Amino acid sequence: DGGITQSPKYLFRKEGQNVTLSCEQNLNHDAMYWYRQDPGQGLRLIYYSQIVNDFQKGDIAEGYSVSREKKESFPLTVTSAQKNPTAFYLCASKERVTYNEQFFGPGTRLTVL
Amino acid sequence: GENVEQHPSTLSVQEGDSAVIKCTYSDSASNYFPWYKQELGKRPQLIIDIRSNVGEKKDQRIAVTLNKTAKHFSLHITETQPEDSAVYFCAAPMNSGYSTLTFGKGTMLLVS
Repeated sequence: DGGITQSPKYLFRKEGQNVTLSCEQNLNHDAMYWYRQDPGQGLRLIYYSQIVNDFQKGDIAEGYSVSREKKESFPLTVTSAQKNPTAFYLCASKERVTYNEQFFGPGTRLTVL
Repeated sequence: GENVEQHPSTLSVQEGDSAVIKCTYSDSASNYFPWYKQELGKRPQLIIDIRSNVGEKKDQRIAVTLNKTAKHFSLHITETQPEDSAVYFCAAPMNSGYSTLTFGKGTMLLVS
C-alpha cells in the first residue's frame, strides 16, 4: 500500500494534552506533507517539508508543530493550543520534482475528549 | 495563493450513467491539475491528472477536460459502476513551485 505508514490508526487524548502522530515513508521521497480532513472541508495543508531539517507552514499551522530530522520521518505534534483538534489527519509524500503524484498514508483519526 | 472551488458537493447517479464534477481555480499561472479518489475509510489516491499543454486526457472510463481561458477543469466518468462510489477531490498548485496543492472540498459520488 504505497510505502507510507501512519500510526496509530485511532488515537484518543484528553483535552489539554499534546499528542504526536507518526508518519514514515520508505519511498525515498524528499517532500512530505500533513493534511487535516474534516467533513465537507476537503484536505487542508498543515505543514510541509521539502528537505530534511526544513519545513514550512501551510494554511492551518496554528496549534501544530513538526520536525524533519530524517528523510523517512515527519511527525506531527498536535498541541493544546489547537482549539479543535478532533479530525482525520493524513500524511503524504512525493518526489521533489514538479508534476508528480502525492502518495498518502492511511491516516490517523484523533479524538480529543 | 490558489483558490479551488468544487461542485457539486454530492452527486447521485444511476449505474451506467455519466457523472461530471467541476472545479474552478483562481491562479492563471497554474498548469497542473490532479484528481484524487478517496473510498470510504481509505486514503486518497491519484486517478488522473492533466497539464495545461493539453485540453483533454482520457484513461478508460475517466477523462479530464481543461479550459484555461475560463479557469476551470472537469472530471468525467462514463458508464458509472458501484465501485466508483467515493469522494473525489480536485486540486491545483498552491504556488508557482508546484510543491504544494490546494484541494477542493470534495464531491461525494453515489452510484446506485
